[in-house]
Amino acid sequence: QSVLTQPPSASGTPGQRVTITCSGSSSSIGSNAVNWYQQLPGAAPKLLVYNNIQRPSGVPDRFSGSRSGTSASLAISGLQSEDEAYYYCAAWDGSLNTWLFGGGTKLTVL
Amino acid sequence: EVRLVQSGPEVKKPGESLKISCKGSGFSFTSSWIGWVRQMPGKGLEWMGVIYPRDSDTKYSPSFQGQVTISADKSFNTAFLQWNSLKASDTAIYYCATQVTVNSRPHYWGQGTLVTVSS
Repeated sequence: QSVLTQPPSASGTPGQRVTITCSGSSSSIGSNAVNWYQQLPGAAPKLLVYNNIQRPSGVPDRFSGSRSGTSASLAISGLQSEDEAYYYCAAWDGSLNTWLFGGGTKLTVL
Repeated sequence: EVRLVQSGPEVKKPGESLKISCKGSGFSFTSSWIGWVRQMPGKGLEWMGVIYPRDSDTKYSPSFQGQVTISADKSFNTAFLQWNSLKASDTAIYYCATQVTVNSRPHYWGQGTLVTVSS
C-alpha cells in the first residue's frame, strides 16, 4: 500500500480539464517538493512536473502542479487523447528516508 | 543528450543470482546519483535505493535493505542491481534513473529491464 494516496482512475473528454490529487503526510508532501510522472503504456516514467509547480523543458503548459499542506494536485487542461496514461506523484519522506510514490492514477480520455 | 541504457530482459529460476546494468552517457556519471525503481506487474513505482558512483556511497530504502545490492563501476559509467537468490516475487520491471542528490527527484530514466523469475 502506497503512503502517498491517489485516486485509482480519472477521466475526461477531449478539451476538458481534469485534476488528479495526491495526499501525503507532514514528513513527505508537508516538508518536501512534489513531483509528477507520466507513464505511457509500455514506456518508462517521464518527469512531468517537479518542485511542485515547475515543468521540464518540452512539457506543455497544459500540465500544471500545485501543493497545499500535505496534499498536491496535477491539473491537465485541454485534454488530448495522447494524455491517456498513468500519472504518479512522488515525494521524499524525511522520516522514512526514502522516496515515496503514489499508487498511480489511470487517466482515460473518453 | 542524457541517456541511460539498461541491460536486456532476464528469465531466471528461483534461487538463482542476477546482476542487471544501467549505462549512462551524455552527463557526468560521477557527479550524479543513480537510483533504482521497481515496478511489479500491473503495479506502481517503488524506490529501491541509490548510489553515488564516484565513491560508491549507497543508500537503500528500508523496504529493500538486505534484499538487493546496488553497485557501480565508474570506469564504465555503469550502475548495477544485484540479487543473490531470486524469488518469484522479484518478477518486475526495474528502472534506473538519475538523481542530483539522494533526496532529489529521479529525473532521467532508463528504458527498464524486465526480470521474470519462474520455475
